Amino acid sequence: EVQLVESGGGLVQPGGSLRLSCAASGFTFSSYSMNWVRQAPGKGLEWVSYISSSSSTIYYADSVKGRFTISRDNAKNSLYLQMNSLRDEDTAVYYCARDSETGTPYSWFDPWGQGTLVTVSS
Amino acid sequence: DIQMTQSPSSLSASVGDRVTITCRASQSISSYLNWYQQKPGKAPKLLIYAASSLQSGVPSRFSGSGSGTDFTLTISSLQPEDFATYYCQQSYSTLATFGQGTRLEIK
Repeated sequence: EVQLVESGGGLVQPGGSLRLSCAASGFTFSSYSMNWVRQAPGKGLEWVSYISSSSSTIYYADSVKGRFTISRDNAKNSLYLQMNSLRDEDTAVYYCARDSETGTPYSWFDPWGQGTLVTVSS
Repeated sequence: DIQMTQSPSSLSASVGDRVTITCRASQSISSYLNWYQQKPGKAPKLLIYAASSLQSGVPSRFSGSGSGTDFTLTISSLQPEDFATYYCQQSYSTLATFGQGTRLEIK
């Protein structure tokens, strides 16, 4: 069974840092690009960041560029999101999501993890 | 960035109804459009990819159509388990964007 499990969320003060992890299983992790998507309480979905299968290509949403860093360890089947200089508006559930298989012309997110809640508050 | 606008923002319907949700892109995105369903407290689930391809395991009452800037998600006969929030998402740009969501409620 394909599974993604996020961890690392919690309460952090404004200006603080947090590192999220996403453990993948049930598929060849090194063959897929990965994404982080977040959802503020009661709000819609916001794409945060993308990393290609080999880590050679990385993208960020403007709202997190310069503060967040996406990375992966294919040997450990794990995806990470290092979040620095956190702001109140970064409060959200953070999901990791697998991209479509490398080589397909279209891109979509499937499956998604269950999410981990990050709360930025003093 | 490419802006995605869904309509309506909320919708009340009854079991058995045919429902259509619309998604409009701020520029042409060809067929690079996906649809997701999200239930309260759960992660989103992929329904439709590449505008009209049904994801494996998704009931055939769900269908997608459109290309360019205008897209639709249709549920042919609403079932109780379909009451949820639906999001469109464009993958044309390297910076993916979602619509604001359409909340489908029981009438």
